[in-house]
Amino acid sequence: DTAVSQTPKYLVTQMGNDKSIKCEQNLGHDTMYWYKQDSKKFLKIMFSYNNKELIINETVPNRFSPKSPDKAHLNLHINSLELGDSAVYFCASSPHDGRTGYQFFGPGTRLTVL
Amino acid sequence: LAKTTQPISMDSYEGQEVNITCSHNNIATNDYITWYQQFPSQGPRFIIQGYKTKVTNEVASLFIPADRKSSTLSLPRVSLSDTAVYYCLVGANTDKLIFGTGTRLQVFP
Repeated sequence: DTAVSQTPKYLVTQMGNDKSIKCEQNLGHDTMYWYKQDSKKFLKIMFSYNNKELIINETVPNRFSPKSPDKAHLNLHINSLELGDSAVYFCASSPHDGRTGYQFFGPGTRLTVL
Repeated sequence: LAKTTQPISMDSYEGQEVNITCSHNNIATNDYITWYQQFPSQGPRFIIQGYKTKVTNEVASLFIPADRKSSTLSLPRVSLSDTAVYYCLVGANTDKLIFGTGTRLQVFP
C-alpha cells in the first residue's frame, strides 16, 4: 500500500514546455507539500497546502502552480520549463495531530529539462 | 530558525555503532529535533524526534544534552542497508522543514 505516490517517476521534456506532476496520499493527512532537491542534493520546500488551502509559498517562480483538488491530492504544474528546473521533486504529507516535523515523503519525480 | 551543523560524511563498518552529532546552538525553546534518512533515489524518511534527554525507537536512539545545543543520532550495529544521508532538523513548525546538507553515511562490509 503506497502512502504517498507521485506520477510520473521520470519526466524528460524540452525547454519551454508545460508539464504536471501528480501526487496522492492515502494516509488521511490534512497537509501536503512540494519540495525540490537540486543536483547538489539540497532539499527545499516550495509549497504547503492544508485542507486544500495554500499555507506556505516559498520564493518560487510563478511558473510553478500547485493545485489541490481535494486534501488527498496536490499536483504541481510548471509552465515554460527552464533548464534550471531540472531536479527531483518530492511530494510529502503530514498529519496535524500535534507531532512537529513529522512528514511522509513520496518517491520523487526526476524532471530533466533539455 | 535554528541552523544545524553536522559532518558532511562518515564511514563505518557493518556491525558497528554509528553516532552522528548535530550542532544547533541557536535552538529555541519550542523547537524539536528531528532526524530523517534518505536513501539514493528515494524521499526522506522520518527516523526519530526528540525534545530533551533520550528517545529510542526500533531504528535509532537520539541523545539530547540538557542545554539542547546539540544532539546525537545513534544507529546500533549498522548494516550495508544503513548507507544513506542523514539529516538533522530543528524547528517548531510542522509545516516548514528546513533540510541542511546532511551527513552521508557509508557502511562498508
